[in-house]
Amino acid sequence: QQPVQSPQAVILREGEDAVINCSSSKALYSVHWYRQKHGEAPVFLMILLKGGEQKGHEKISASFNEKKQQSSLYLTASQLSYSGTYFCGTVDIRDNYGQNFVFGPGTRLSVLP
Amino acid sequence: EAQVTQNPRYLITVTGKKLTVTCSQNMNHEYMSWYRQDPGLGLRQIYYSMNVEVTDKGDVPEGYKVSRKEKRNFPLILESPSPNQTSLYFCASSYGRVVTYNEQFFGPGTRLTVL
Repeated sequence: QQPVQSPQAVILREGEDAVINCSSSKALYSVHWYRQKHGEAPVFLMILLKGGEQKGHEKISASFNEKKQQSSLYLTASQLSYSGTYFCGTVDIRDNYGQNFVFGPGTRLSVLP
Repeated sequence: EAQVTQNPRYLITVTGKKLTVTCSQNMNHEYMSWYRQDPGLGLRQIYYSMNVEVTDKGDVPEGYKVSRKEKRNFPLILESPSPNQTSLYFCASSYGRVVTYNEQFFGPGTRLTVL
């Protein structure tokens, strides 16, 4: 089942902050975050794992609440280069084996000068 | 340079004409995957492979076939394309068999139009 993201879109001025949320109705073993610029492939930002471990982009912060099955991505002091669509994703482990990866619908972020 | 390559990048074809989109990675990754991206629907997984000769269905496998005979290659086959398969397709790969803990590297995408 696809994770839910909010907001669907957000417009910021340079220097402002934004929070993007991701939630799932299923238990999460990890949450992945990717950014996609228009006309390009998605690019990895970070992974948040159960137990608090994180892997990824040093300049981006995120949180993972395992009990609530939620994650949030924090974009502080936004720059023009932060514009793009942000996707969260997670693994739908079927039958305790599979590695079906499911992305959320995306949050479109526009940073204006 | 570590990368995932896809070919072709753009393809216009007609209904029913079999086609193959190739995907290759040079990072010795075990996990490979195909996604399609449609406006308003985000990225949806078609098929994935955790190792050579091991493939499994994603969320939208109907109308597609895959094979994984070599570690580096994971072609996507449309045996009888239809207009509803018009989409942007991405191949991705990841270290290890378990993508739960590892980032995915994406290819540049293949824009397919089926008339």
